[in-house]
Amino acid sequence: KQEVTQIPAALSVPEGENLVLNCSFTDSAIYNLQWFRQDPGKGLTSLLLIQSSQREQTSGRLNASLDKSSGRSTLYIAASQPGDSATYLCAVRDDYKLSFGAGTTVTVRA
Amino acid sequence: GAGVSQTPSNKVTEKGKYVELRCDPISGHTALYWYRQSLGQGPEFLIYFQGTGAADDSGLPNDRFFAVRPEGSVSTLKIQRTERGDSAVYLCASSLGGAGGYEQYFGPGTRLTVT
Repeated sequence: KQEVTQIPAALSVPEGENLVLNCSFTDSAIYNLQWFRQDPGKGLTSLLLIQSSQREQTSGRLNASLDKSSGRSTLYIAASQPGDSATYLCAVRDDYKLSFGAGTTVTVRA
Repeated sequence: GAGVSQTPSNKVTEKGKYVELRCDPISGHTALYWYRQSLGQGPEFLIYFQGTGAADDSGLPNDRFFAVRPEGSVSTLKIQRTERGDSAVYLCASSLGGAGGYEQYFGPGTRLTVT
């Protein structure tokens, strides 16, 4: 059974600092990995999707890397802003279903 | 175009009652998924439909839970004899295809509270 772990569980940084969020998974036989953002009481917003053949994906201030062989992904958020405060979830897809981590809750202090 | 929609957005019910949660996937998406998210945790897989049939229902916690997708589009998750432990956010997602690297698109969820 796929196990997904996110460290740290919570993170608080001052505005402008770069954020580094980690995700690890136990079974490397995945099709892709997705990073999501979730605001309190809201649904999931997809941020980046990395196919298993890719090493990284970038969108604006966000960059995600994938090392499938070691079972790790990292989400980098450059120059954080208070609006980046949210919970960030990573999910790996094996065949058809997604297995999620518990998330990292980020607070960016103004 | 329209995304995945779910109704109701919130549902409060008494212990022992029956509830139905509805999901409208993105038009043309053949695959549909239900997940459940408990407080402070990531979503957990419940069931996967490819077309009208449930290809994998291994995530349903027990036989009080059942889901249908009779015409290969809208899906309904049904919970009988609800228990307080069923309180969670129920998320629906759809994708163009099932197996493989297709991206899943999520709806806003239904928050179920069992009192």
